[in-house]
Amino acid sequence: AQTVTQSQPEMSVQEAETVTLSCTYDTSENNYYLFWYKQPPSRQMILVIRQEAYKQQNATENRFSVNFQKAAKSFSLKISDSQLGDTAMYFCAFMKLNAGNNRKLIWGLGTSLAVNP
Amino acid sequence: DAGITQSPRYKITETGRQVTLMCHQTWSHSYMFWYRQDLGHGLRLIYYSAAADITDKGEVPDGYVVSRSKTENFPLTLESATRSQTSVYFCASSARDRPTYEQYFGPGTRLTVT
Repeated sequence: AQTVTQSQPEMSVQEAETVTLSCTYDTSENNYYLFWYKQPPSRQMILVIRQEAYKQQNATENRFSVNFQKAAKSFSLKISDSQLGDTAMYFCAFMKLNAGNNRKLIWGLGTSLAVNP
Repeated sequence: DAGITQSPRYKITETGRQVTLMCHQTWSHSYMFWYRQDLGHGLRLIYYSAAADITDKGEVPDGYVVSRSKTENFPLTLESATRSQTSVYFCASSARDRPTYEQYFGPGTRLTVT
């Protein structure tokens, strides 16, 4: 069974600085997707970034980028130029792709990020 | 507005009562999901549905019932609420024909069972 581990329950960063959130996963699958979701205090879950396992190039979305290391089964999220609005819980999630894919996500427990002024 | 909505947003009920949480999406997404979120457990999948009239159990289905007679609705029923079902419940949907596999979430329902 797949598992997702986020080893940092809480982190903090100063505004405008860079922070990296860690995520590791365990799977024997070769074809899968990885996601980072953000949950601000409003409670709304928002997709931050996604990565297809077959793509070697790391995904980037504006200030958010990932470091995807397939062999190491690592999928870290880097937030550059941190802003106060980045304060949120961040969840890493895994989805295996196969015939009859049911779109089920396996979630990590989350990292609470505080951006300090 | 288009999107995915949940109702009610907040609900307080008593132990033993039946309660139904509603989820409605306007995108005609094939897949729909129910999660519960509890401190220390992250998000746990209760039930999911790949299409109308097709549902399947997730990680924590006991005590819950779902139905999906229409593509856009996916209600979750707690047949006899227990205090352990106090939680925040999220509904999500995902499009079959999009290769991005993203799940879109509703705003959540905070349920308290007294």
